[in-house]
Amino acid sequence: GNSVTQMEGPVTLSEEAFLTINCTYTATGYPSLFWYVQYPGEGLQLLLKATKADDKGSNKGFEATYRKETTSFHLEKGSVQVSDSAVYFCALSVRSSGSARQLTFGSGTQLTGLP
Amino acid sequence: NAGVTQTPKFRVLKTGQSMTLLCAQDMNHEYMYWYRQDPGMGLRLIHYSVGEGTTAKGEVPDGYNVSRLKKQNFLLGLESAAPSQTSVYFCASSATSPTTGELFFGEGSRLTVL
Repeated sequence: GNSVTQMEGPVTLSEEAFLTINCTYTATGYPSLFWYVQYPGEGLQLLLKATKADDKGSNKGFEATYRKETTSFHLEKGSVQVSDSAVYFCALSVRSSGSARQLTFGSGTQLTGLP
Repeated sequence: NAGVTQTPKFRVLKTGQSMTLLCAQDMNHEYMYWYRQDPGMGLRLIHYSVGEGTTAKGEVPDGYNVSRLKKQNFLLGLESAAPSQTSVYFCASSATSPTTGELFFGEGSRLTVL
């Protein structure tokens, strides 16, 4: 089956520190990979995505590179801000019948940025 | 822009009671989904729909029913609530398959079953 494993949180960083949130996956097929973010009291929203190997998704200073050889999609940001405090979810969707209609989510990583 | 709207946002039920969560989207999306979010488990798909009049089971469908009578609405029903169904429920919609399309989420509905 398909699964996503994220590093456990919570992660607490000082403002301007470097951020890495690890994500690895298992997929029966060729997945598209996503990072979604959930700010306090809100629903999830798409942060970035990559649909093929070696693609780099980027948005709002966050980046993640689709690494097929290591089945990973780690999220990085060079300088964390307090406003980045949220829960981050790694997710995948596989291009095959049935499961192509579903997103499989990781368990989420809580990030807190301190001033 | 309303996007995806869920009602109610909070509800407390007693074991055995029934209720319906309503999800409405104004983006003319074909795909709609119901997820539940539990601590340490991320989001798990309950049911989904790929168009008006269609529904399909997700990862954790037991104890829930859904209907998609109108394209813009996706209803999630609990016929006989159990404490294990205490959770935060999220509805989402997308124009195309999740492989290529972004999911848009509602703000969530917090359900407590006593």
